[in-house]
Amino acid sequence: DIQLTQSPSSLSASVGDSVTITCRASQSISHYLNWYQQKPGEAPKLLIYSASSLQGGVPSRFSGSGSETDFTLTISSLQPEDFATYYCQQSYSSLWTFGQGTKVEIK
Amino acid sequence: QVHLVESGGGVVRPGGSLRLSCAASGFSFSTSGMHWVRQAPGKGLEWMAFIRFDGSRKYYADSVRGRLTISRDNSKNTLYLQMNSVMGEDTAVYYCAKDENDISGYRLDYWGQGTLVTVSS
Repeated sequence: DIQLTQSPSSLSASVGDSVTITCRASQSISHYLNWYQQKPGEAPKLLIYSASSLQGGVPSRFSGSGSETDFTLTISSLQPEDFATYYCQQSYSSLWTFGQGTKVEIK
Repeated sequence: QVHLVESGGGVVRPGGSLRLSCAASGFSFSTSGMHWVRQAPGKGLEWMAFIRFDGSRKYYADSVRGRLTISRDNSKNTLYLQMNSVMGEDTAVYYCAKDENDISGYRLDYWGQGTLVTVSS
């Protein structure tokens, strides 16, 4: 199976900060990498697909980049509603996998 | 709009069985692949299974292959997950999710609210 490792596991940031989360794949996955946001008690929400494409309705402060094995999710100006857990997920293999998650907390 | 509603969760004894359902509406269910994803309490997301739009192909995570069966009834716009020989580590919220795919790749673009399965004696 393809393993995805996110870093950091958690981070503290203030409103207005720019934050970056990384996701590293155990093998090349081309651009088949998606990002999701999950708030407590809620279902996950798709933010970014195909490494850098913004899902409809998602604010433009969210952006993704990367290819092959190294990917990043950037939130350019953190808003109060962005405090949540973020997961990367690969769809290169028919056995999909998620990263372990990165919790973004308020400083 | 797209609506996915899971049901069938509850308390089940170790070694028992349970069938989860996911009622879909607001999109063309019969032309969409579907997934099950679970989340143990306080843990991350774990992809479980995928079924093609016509049920012709199914894929399972190694951790559940042989114990869980994904299926669908396109005439009822419903997705199922049959869980057999359940164990404590199957305790989780189970989400169904719609697959979207195009030249850009595959992703889970809509999710249900989840149903909780608790394995306990």
